[in-house]
Amino acid sequence: DADVTQTPRNRITKTGKRIMLECSQTKGHDRMYWYRQDPGLGLRLIYYSFDVKDINKGEISDGYSVSRQAQAKFSLSLESAIPNQTALYFCATRPSSGANVLTFGAGSRLTVL
Amino acid sequence: DAKTTQPNSMESNEEEPVHLPCNHSTISGTDYIHWYRQLPSQGPEYVIHGLTSNVNNRMASLAIAEDRKSSTLILHRATLRDAAVYYCILRDRGQGAQKLVFGQGTRLTINP
Repeated sequence: DADVTQTPRNRITKTGKRIMLECSQTKGHDRMYWYRQDPGLGLRLIYYSFDVKDINKGEISDGYSVSRQAQAKFSLSLESAIPNQTALYFCATRPSSGANVLTFGAGSRLTVL
Repeated sequence: DAKTTQPNSMESNEEEPVHLPCNHSTISGTDYIHWYRQLPSQGPEYVIHGLTSNVNNRMASLAIAEDRKSSTLILHRATLRDAAVYYCILRDRGQGAQKLVFGQGTRLTINP
């Protein structure tokens, strides 16, 4: 099994729908992150969490919310999806100590029509 | 934040060494140099990182210029599986991974 699992891997939805992308990790890491990737723009940080009670906004948090249900689970929600949220979304984790090395999931491709 | 400059694309042949350059002329003394790569249809994958000295691991080597204004990721013997986008990223020692900025990277093509 992958260290960082994202579900769903692909999702097509309509404008205005609520969408949740889920991330779970088996590495026992405290810190978790959500990024989006658009063609030609690299990765941009949406939200990050240092532990279950800590949630922080990233570079582009507008239109998104997150929930850290447990140490191993970090969900990203789009309350009312819009077409410009069509992108590839990645979850990542790292331990709270040691090298600042991120482990990424395989990504969730979201298309909003 | 200090920025990095990488070529948009590079091409090499299988079983040959590959040298991927990165310029970071505004690097500060506390910036680490990180390299990640992203294989097709996958998330980014950590490759290597360093501060001042050259570093080696099972995946690659990182050569850092004496003035630290540039670095080179070296794949000693490229395979087809090394075809990916390679990101060179700076991170201040006092800041966490949330400060890693993934730019556009270098798209590496490996010819059979």
